[in-house]
Amino acid sequence: GQNIDQPTEMTATEGAIVQINCTYQTSGFNGLFWYQQHAGEAPTFLSYNVLDGLEEKGRFSSFLSRSKGYSYLLLKELQMKDSASYLCAVRDDRARNDYKLSFGAGTTVTVRA
Amino acid sequence: DAGVTQSPTHLIKTRGQQVTLRCSPKSGHDTVSWYQQALGQGPQFIFQYYEEEERQRGNFPDRFSGHQFPNYSSELNVNALLLGDSALYLCASSLEGQGISGSNQPQHFGDGTRLSIL
Repeated sequence: GQNIDQPTEMTATEGAIVQINCTYQTSGFNGLFWYQQHAGEAPTFLSYNVLDGLEEKGRFSSFLSRSKGYSYLLLKELQMKDSASYLCAVRDDRARNDYKLSFGAGTTVTVRA
Repeated sequence: DAGVTQSPTHLIKTRGQQVTLRCSPKSGHDTVSWYQQALGQGPQFIFQYYEEEERQRGNFPDRFSGHQFPNYSSELNVNALLLGDSALYLCASSLEGQGISGSNQPQHFGDGTRLSIL
């Protein structure tokens, strides 16, 4: 089975930094994705990690440790438009014909002025 | 370049009815996955279609069925609707293929169909 945990809510101030943690216990692993979802909209792809380490994309960075089953998404220089739900998703083992994404419940980030 | 499009945007049905939701994938994508997202939850995998066949299925009853057409578009059908089927239904497309080359390709989501059961 799949077990993906992330905090329910986080609040931060405009211009600050927020780190959203995600821990996972899955039967297989072939990559971890982060998505952003504004209320009433589609999830949009932010980042992908399959090897250990940090991937940086502008104001957003994502880190992965496969041995610890742990990832985080770092949002820097927060803007009001960053208020959204952030979804951690694990891709299962394609070699075992398992193609689905398993999602956490999402972390709602509220950015305050 | 059109992204993933879904129709309808909203739908209201009553218990016991049947519903069909439609999805057109992003241009160049060959695989369509369907997810159910309840309020305050992450998307839950329903099934994935590739080469017009159901390639993988999640833990959903047989009331949920689907189809993929030669142009890669897809339909999700739900029979005998229950109150608990009320949710946002998301379609996601990707370029998966059979090899591992697609393993790092993200799934791109449509805006979803909001289904309400009365």
